[in-house]
Amino acid sequence: EVQLVESGGGLVQPGGSLRLSCAASGFSFSSYSMNWVRQAPGKGLEWVSYISSSGDTIYYADSVKGRFTISRDNARNSLYLQMNSLRADDTAVYYCVRQFTSSSRYNYFDPWGQGTLVTVSS
Amino acid sequence: DIQMTQSPSSLSASVGDRVTITCRASQNISSYLNWYQQKPGKAPNVLIYGASSSQSGVPSRFSGSGSGTDFTLTISSLQPEDFATYYCQQSYSTPTFGQGTKVEIK
Repeated sequence: EVQLVESGGGLVQPGGSLRLSCAASGFSFSSYSMNWVRQAPGKGLEWVSYISSSGDTIYYADSVKGRFTISRDNARNSLYLQMNSLRADDTAVYYCVRQFTSSSRYNYFDPWGQGTLVTVSS
Repeated sequence: DIQMTQSPSSLSASVGDRVTITCRASQNISSYLNWYQQKPGKAPNVLIYGASSSQSGVPSRFSGSGSGTDFTLTISSLQPEDFATYYCQQSYSTPTFGQGTKVEIK
């Protein structure tokens, strides 16, 4: 079974840091690009960051650029998100998401982890 | 960034109704459009990719259409388990999502 399990969320003060982890199982992790997507409470979905299968291509949403760092360890089947200088508007459930490419070369997000809640508050 | 606009933001419907949700892109995205379903407290699940291709295991009552800037998700006969929030997402460039459409029980 393909599975993604996030961890590392919690309560942090504004300006603080947090590192999220995502453990992947049931598929060849090193063959897939990965993403982080977040969802603020009661709000919609926002893509946060992308990393290619080898880790050599990385993208960030403008809202987190310069503050967040995505990385991966293919030997450990793990994805990470280092979050620094956290702000109240970073409060959200953070999902680890695999990027799947269909035979017709369309990319989509599947599967999603269960999410981990990050709360930034004093 | 490409902006995605869904309509309506919410709708009320009855079991058995035909439901249509639309999604408009701010520029041409060809068929690089995906649809997701999210139930309360759960992660989203993909329903449709490439505008009209159904993900394996998705009931046939769900269908997608469109290309360019205008897209549609149709539920042919709404079932109790379909009450959820639906999101479109473009994969033409840096991913962006629509704001969501909440389908509620009438």
